[in-house]
Amino acid sequence: EIVLAQSPDTLSLSPGESATLSCRASQSVSNYLAWFQQRPGQPPRLLIYDASLRAPGIPARFNGSGSGTDFTLTISSLEPEDFAVYYCQQRTNGPRHTFGQGTKLEIK
Amino acid sequence: EGQLVESGGGLAQPGGSLRISCEASGFTLGTYGVNWVRQAPGKGLQWIAYISSASRTSEYADSVKGRFTISRDNAQNSVYLQMNSLRAEDTAVYYCATDRAGRILWWWGQGTLVTVSS
Repeated sequence: EIVLAQSPDTLSLSPGESATLSCRASQSVSNYLAWFQQRPGQPPRLLIYDASLRAPGIPARFNGSGSGTDFTLTISSLEPEDFAVYYCQQRTNGPRHTFGQGTKLEIK
Repeated sequence: EGQLVESGGGLAQPGGSLRISCEASGFTLGTYGVNWVRQAPGKGLQWIAYISSASRTSEYADSVKGRFTISRDNAQNSVYLQMNSLRAEDTAVYYCATDRAGRILWWWGQGTLVTVSS
């Protein structure tokens, strides 16, 4: 099973700053990696799929990059509503999806 | 705009059973594979089951295999998760999510809470 490790566990920043979140896979997932945002009490929201494609309605300040085993989600000019938990997710072999443990983006 | 609505969650006793549902509105669920993903209180996301659009394929996480069964009724625009032999560690919010291009969890419901406790 492919394991996804996210870093850091918690990131403390101020509105207006930029955030860089990382996700590392235990083996190559090609570009089949997605990022989700989850606010308290809400379901996960798809932000990025196939490593770098924004889902419909996602603001341009959210950008994904990477391939193989190393991936990055960059959020430029943080808005108050961006402070949430972010998960990376992959599915390569068969229908079993795996998730990273999450990165909490909190207000400094 | 389409949406998914889960229902049927609640309190179940250890060893008991519960069936939860995922109903689509505004789109034809039968054209999509569907997954169930759960989230224990304060924890991360865990994929647990998948069913293909025509029910030919189903897959389960090891933690629920042999206890949970995923099924669907495309005429009712719905997918179900029958949960038997429930354990305390099955306590979680259960989300259904459509599968796109065989790898993307595209649309999600709001979730239904299942609590297993005596």
